[in-house]
Amino acid sequence: DAGVIQSPRHEVTEMGQEVTLRCKPISGHNSLFWYRQTMMRGLELLIYFNNNVPIDDSGMPEDRFSAKMPNASFSTLKIQPSEPRDSAVYFCASSLRGGGTAGELFFGEGSRLTVL
Amino acid sequence: AQSVTQLGSHVSVSEGALVLLRCNYSSSVPPYLFWYVQYPNQGLQLLLKYTSAATLVKGINGFEAEFKKSETSFHLTKPSAHMSDAAEYFCAVSDRGNQFYFGTGTSLTVIP
Repeated sequence: DAGVIQSPRHEVTEMGQEVTLRCKPISGHNSLFWYRQTMMRGLELLIYFNNNVPIDDSGMPEDRFSAKMPNASFSTLKIQPSEPRDSAVYFCASSLRGGGTAGELFFGEGSRLTVL
Repeated sequence: AQSVTQLGSHVSVSEGALVLLRCNYSSSVPPYLFWYVQYPNQGLQLLLKYTSAATLVKGINGFEAEFKKSETSFHLTKPSAHMSDAAEYFCAVSDRGNQFYFGTGTSLTVIP
């Protein structure tokens, strides 16, 4: 079974450019999470979806960040315009919630973003 | 509200020595508890989970953790450290709803 697939694995861009990160969750999972990891702030939850609906986006830093989940097998995290302080590793994770499951998160390999 | 505290952001042990990584949680409902491991340049990988069955949970790579309700703890142990255990370890609690709460992580160094 394929795990959570993220692309790109690495992205280097210049300040002001638009960045789009993509995620394909594990088939059958009904929840999807976007996290950001930096040395200074550790692991931060940005937003999570349940059945493709955004449930909590209180972790999204500001209006420059947006996330969508148009269907159960795809999600994007967009930063427009990007700034150097957005440099981080962005993780997508999915889980199966309900039905007595523990709902553990399965993480992708991450997308390392560098904004110059 | 749920939260997780990991005591010690950095832990060093000698190869072959006992590994003990501490995790305390707070939860307003019976929690699910997890330990994740992150190797350099990789995503987080589930080590083990507690879901209200046996209080002693065995995971991958020889790790285990014991749920102690009276101490609100879920410490991670391994009898004998191996060089390949060097990584970042995260404790997490779930309120059985839709939210996960991660600790700040503990970096484990194994000294040869």
